[in-house]
Amino acid sequence: GDSVTQMEGPVTLSEEAFLTINCTYTATGYPSLFWYVQYPGEGLQLLLKATKADDKGSNKGFEATYRKETTSFHLEKGSVQVSDSAVYFCALTLSNFGNEKLTFGTGTRLTIIP
Amino acid sequence: GAVVSQHPSWVICKSGTSVKIECRSLDFQATTMFWYRQFPKQSLMLMATSNEGSKATYEQGVEKDKFLINHASLTLSTLTVTSAHPEDSSFYICSANDPQGILSEAFFGQGTRLTVV
Repeated sequence: GDSVTQMEGPVTLSEEAFLTINCTYTATGYPSLFWYVQYPGEGLQLLLKATKADDKGSNKGFEATYRKETTSFHLEKGSVQVSDSAVYFCALTLSNFGNEKLTFGTGTRLTIIP
Repeated sequence: GAVVSQHPSWVICKSGTSVKIECRSLDFQATTMFWYRQFPKQSLMLMATSNEGSKATYEQGVEKDKFLINHASLTLSTLTVTSAHPEDSSFYICSANDPQGILSEAFFGQGTRLTVV
């Protein structure tokens, strides 16, 4: 079945450090890929997305590139801030029509220290 | 973007009672909504797919008689946890896709933290 494997946390970095959170997937078709962020006490928010190979999603200084050859969608940010502390989820869906479920990775807890 | 509202955001109930959680799409119609459960420090696990006007589709291992789902309109789905027990304590979150959106991305409610005492 479809699955998402995500880098286990927790991850602790100093402010302004470079961030990479690894994500790889297996899917029977051609998935759309997402990164969601969950801030403390809140629900999930879409951070960025990519719908086809070589697409790059970006938002708030974060970016991830859809790599079909390595089935990966690693999340990166050049200089993290304390406000980036949250749990990050990689996810995929095989639907372009909004009627299919999301498959999530286990989440990576990120803590940024001043 | 589209807005999904979930209510209540937290609830504490006694063991043996039932709790209803509402999920509303505020500015779009959602024929399909999804209910997830999140255990502490774990990922979201899909519980069921809620289909407007028909029965929900439950994932393997989810008790349909315990987690009742009703999707009576295009903007509202409810999850009722019946005869709740402490092991049902968890974070429940719904999502809906806006079919008119560019990617039909999922929009999530704020989540409901259920504590059964």
